[in-house]
Amino acid sequence: DAKTTQPPSMDCAEGRAANLPCNHSTISGNEYVYWYRQIHSQGPQYIIHGLKNNETNEMASLIITEDRKSSTLILPHATLRDTAVYYCIVRDRISYYMDTGRRALTFGSGTRLQVQP
Amino acid sequence: NAGVTQTPKFQVLKTGQSMTLQCAQDMNHNSMYWYRQDPGMGLRLIYYSASEGTTDKGEVPNGYNVSRLNKREFSLRLESAAPSQTSVYFCASSAGQGETQYFGPGTRLLVL
Repeated sequence: DAKTTQPPSMDCAEGRAANLPCNHSTISGNEYVYWYRQIHSQGPQYIIHGLKNNETNEMASLIITEDRKSSTLILPHATLRDTAVYYCIVRDRISYYMDTGRRALTFGSGTRLQVQP
Repeated sequence: NAGVTQTPKFQVLKTGQSMTLQCAQDMNHNSMYWYRQDPGMGLRLIYYSASEGTTDKGEVPNGYNVSRLNKREFSLRLESAAPSQTSVYFCASSAGQGETQYFGPGTRLLVL
């Protein structure tokens, strides 16, 4: 799976959009971009994923650059409850893994988003 | 639709005691996973079940056993708990291998 780079921390004012960047310059053609978050002491929560096109759901929007080397997760109206660590993961979604270690999701260090009142 | 549920939420064990962590999902998923999360270590896969009736070792299986009881339930057993197994344990499920994984709320285990 391709390596990702995220800023270690970001602040955002409540009610404003939070834009979280992720660099994945070594991404291959069949790898998807996934975003998860982990609110303190809770289980990781799936947010959104995409391959090439921009995606939107009830939680967030995902913008992927045309060359697919970077992406941005957008929380349109951040609330205090969005304070969490956000993880960008690049993963081949379809291939069967012979190596059991690759079946696991690999969470890097992520971006700690602090939403300020 | 509860998603992935785990019991118990918290547990304190003495060294050598045994216990079973329970996980259930109501999303009709085929694949289920057990991870542990330690401070500064990220998630590590303990065991994996691609489908009902099959289980495979992950990255850190020593000291654990699993049972895929049916399609819904995947349990993790510690036969003789050790302080090194103090951790937060997460269960996850996905529709199939490589598909999006959905996580439970976790079980916090302290082994004294």
